[in-house]
Amino acid sequence: DVVMTQSPLSLPVTLGQPASISCRSSQSLVHSDGNTYLSWFQQRPGQSPRRLIYKVSNRDSGVPDRFSGSGSGTDFTLTISRVEAEDVGIYYCMQGTHWYTFGLGTKLEIK
Amino acid sequence: QVQLHQWGAGLLKPSETLSLTCSVYGGSFSDYYWSWIRQPPGEGLEWIGEINHSGSTNYNPSLKSRVTISVDTSKNQFSLKLNSVTAADTAMYYCARGPTAAGHDFDYWGQGTLVTVSS
Repeated sequence: DVVMTQSPLSLPVTLGQPASISCRSSQSLVHSDGNTYLSWFQQRPGQSPRRLIYKVSNRDSGVPDRFSGSGSGTDFTLTISRVEAEDVGIYYCMQGTHWYTFGLGTKLEIK
Repeated sequence: QVQLHQWGAGLLKPSETLSLTCSVYGGSFSDYYWSWIRQPPGEGLEWIGEINHSGSTNYNPSLKSRVTISVDTSKNQFSLKLNSVTAADTAMYYCARGPTAAGHDFDYWGQGTLVTVSS
């Protein structure tokens, strides 16, 4: 199985400040079709996961542009340019290149 | 707007069979794969398996011996059965659309069903 390692596991952030979450995979996520299948999900308290980003950097419809994804190979980052109160929750990375595995999650809270 | 609504028994005894169903509203049922994903309390997400409209399935090897996913295209529904449950199967279970062709991931999720296994 491809292991997805996220850091930090807990991320206290001041409102209006930026935040970054790292995700590293145990193998390259470059698929044989040339795409890199790395997605990011947000899970707000009491809700189901919601996809934010797919194929490293493609934002889903309705996702604020303060969310961005970057990276390549085995090293990926989710960045929130200015954290808002509604961003509180757990963020998961997920790889879809070698079947499907998720990171353990990063809990974002407001300081 | 695509919506997934799931239901099933929430409390099981060890050795019983977990059974959940997910109904899909909106969008094209036949153009996608449909998956089950679970999340044990305080832990991460685990993909269980997937099915398409023609009944083609793939399962997580760690659960394959106990899992059956089936589909009813006349009702736009798919179902999960997990045999011989133990306390380790206690989790929130989600149905989801995907993996998608675009992202090899899951773009719509059900509301979740908490399944507790306890004697």
